[in-house]
Amino acid sequence: QSALTQPASVSGSPGQSITISCTGTSSDVGSYNLVSWYQHPPGKAPKLMIYEGSKRPSGVSNRFSGSKSGNTASLTISGLQTEDEADYYCCSFAGSGTWVFGGGTKLTVL
Amino acid sequence: QLQLQESGPGLVKPSETLSLTCTVSGGSISSSSYYWGWIRQPPGKGLEWIGSMYYSGNTYHNPSLKSRATISVDTSKNQFSLKLSSVTAADTAVYYCARYQTGTASFDYWGQGTLVTVSS
Repeated sequence: QSALTQPASVSGSPGQSITISCTGTSSDVGSYNLVSWYQHPPGKAPKLMIYEGSKRPSGVSNRFSGSKSGNTASLTISGLQTEDEADYYCCSFAGSGTWVFGGGTKLTVL
Repeated sequence: QLQLQESGPGLVKPSETLSLTCTVSGGSISSSSYYWGWIRQPPGKGLEWIGSMYYSGNTYHNPSLKSRATISVDTSKNQFSLKLSSVTAADTAVYYCARYQTGTASFDYWGQGTLVTVSS
């Protein structure tokens, strides 16, 4: 079970859009539409932002959206705000009741 | 509002067993819609799923931990626990407990995390 691959860092200016990729394999991301995304500010608990690939929990801004193509899932944040600055992690079901996270991406809002 | 709180020793010696407890408040651990899990983050690294357990005892573990992890539930105390045996410095991490909701296939509530250092 290997960690999903995410870029180590991405950056953008306020108001811009950014996309964070999450690449897995045909055994996890590619086989299930069960990718979730978490926002993790330093020193705080992770927060669920997207589930089942593209669905937003109640209370999460519609500036956050998710998608998937093949073995790669993506998180897009539009209209970047300084409060979006955090680490972001993807997570996928990997079969047999197991889950795998990505290595995390640090988002910097310039 | 559901809350989860981790507790346990912050320092464990190499080769010993790490033991943590997660206390759940504001909801029942016996609900049929949820699993209860542990996730960790080593310093400077990403999140790693350790395992998840249903209140009735059905449990799943990360195979990379080679059966060192044991998760148990105490419904009378509304708590669940993690035991990780034969720890090494590589097990130093912030450990989070979290609720997994079956309806959304995601970890929707998390504790604040607790740092466990493995050192002699």
